[in-house]
Amino acid sequence: EDQVTQSPEALRLQEGESSSLNCSYTVSGLRGLFWYRQDPGKGPEFLFTLYSAGEEKEKERLKATLTKKESFLHITAPKPEDSATYLCAVQEGKSNTGKLIFGQGTTLQVKP
Amino acid sequence: GAVVSQHPSRVICKSGTSVKIECRSLDFQATTMFWYRQFPKQSLMLMATSNEGSKATYEQGVEKDKFLINHASLTLSTLTVTSAHPEDSSFYICSAPWRGRGDTQYFGPGTRLTVL
Repeated sequence: EDQVTQSPEALRLQEGESSSLNCSYTVSGLRGLFWYRQDPGKGPEFLFTLYSAGEEKEKERLKATLTKKESFLHITAPKPEDSATYLCAVQEGKSNTGKLIFGQGTTLQVKP
Repeated sequence: GAVVSQHPSRVICKSGTSVKIECRSLDFQATTMFWYRQFPKQSLMLMATSNEGSKATYEQGVEKDKFLINHASLTLSTLTVTSAHPEDSSFYICSAPWRGRGDTQYFGPGTRLTVL
């Protein structure tokens, strides 16, 4: 059964304290792995798509990496405005339904 | 970037009434859209896949007679919560995949439904 597990559930960082969020997945043929950011009361905001092991994507203080079993979202020198819930989702390749399977999310709080 | 809108953003209704939520892809066409439900401090739960010109596909456990989905055009899908009850109160979010970006799903801002 396809599954996505994110850790930790919650993370508190001081401003400037770098860290990583983990997304472990089990899927029958990965079509794509997606990272989203969600602020309270809003819809998820797209961050990155990764398609194959070894791929990396960067955007400002965020960098996403992918292996055959997991993905990491590295946050370098975070700022309070990076506080949000980060969601990881996978799309499996065989069914072609386009459905995403989401993890439970990591809620990040960055204190000034 | 791709923009998906939802209307209304917030609705409060009495028990027994029906509520319609619209989801529009503003700058791209979407033959498929997805409807999610999110409870407080939980992740997104896929309810159904909306297909333009054909019937929606519902996830297991989702009542299709309660949650009516219509995908009338390539840019509009609607979710109607029929005979709403307090337990239907939730945050409803739609998404649409954009083929121009490898079918990446872009999400609407969500609709907060409160049933009294």
